[in-house]
Amino acid sequence: QKEVEQNSGPLSVPEGAIASLNCTYSDRGSQSFFWYRQYSGKSPELIMSIYSNGDKEDGRFTAQLNKASQYVSLLIRDSQPSDSATYLCAVTLSGSARQLTFGSGTQLTVLP
Amino acid sequence: DVKVTQSSRYLVKRTGEKVFLECVQDMDHENMFWYRQDPGLGLRLIYFSYDVKMKEKGDIPEGYSVSREKKERFSLILESASTNQTSMYLCASLTTDTDTQYFGPGTRLTVL
Repeated sequence: QKEVEQNSGPLSVPEGAIASLNCTYSDRGSQSFFWYRQYSGKSPELIMSIYSNGDKEDGRFTAQLNKASQYVSLLIRDSQPSDSATYLCAVTLSGSARQLTFGSGTQLTVLP
Repeated sequence: DVKVTQSSRYLVKRTGEKVFLECVQDMDHENMFWYRQDPGLGLRLIYFSYDVKMKEKGDIPEGYSVSREKKERFSLILESASTNQTSMYLCASLTTDTDTQYFGPGTRLTVL
């Protein structure tokens, strides 16, 4: 079974700190990796995508990918209370670039 | 910007009723998806479609069917609603240039 594992949390960080969210996946053939943010009662919203090993930065967000270790992470710098949400890691299935497998999500709370 | 809309934000139906959930995207995407999301179970794929009149079962197709008569519209059908189909239903549309799925706002369905 192709799986995506995330720390379920909840994770609490003080405002201004770095929040670190982690995800491991079992399908070695996965090629595309995504982080979605989901506020309570709302639908997932894409934050970052990453396709090759290394870091990818977008504003306060940095995604890190290590395919050898089957590990992808999301760092949020200068965390704000508005970052409080559930973060979903999603990975494409090998052999099907169109299907995603989602982790169960990590709930993040940023304390003012 | 990709726009994915769903016919209802909230829906209440009775056991045994036939339920239609509609999803429309305006980006001429070929691939569309239906998920349900439940606490503790994450996002689970019900069905997806990769072209008009083409459909594939996802992980949990039992009790559901789909229709894709036009490219922009993907419908999820509950032939005879049951209480265990109470859930948040999310539609997504895929852009193939980045393999990214974009979600609609979701429909929270309650079956009494």
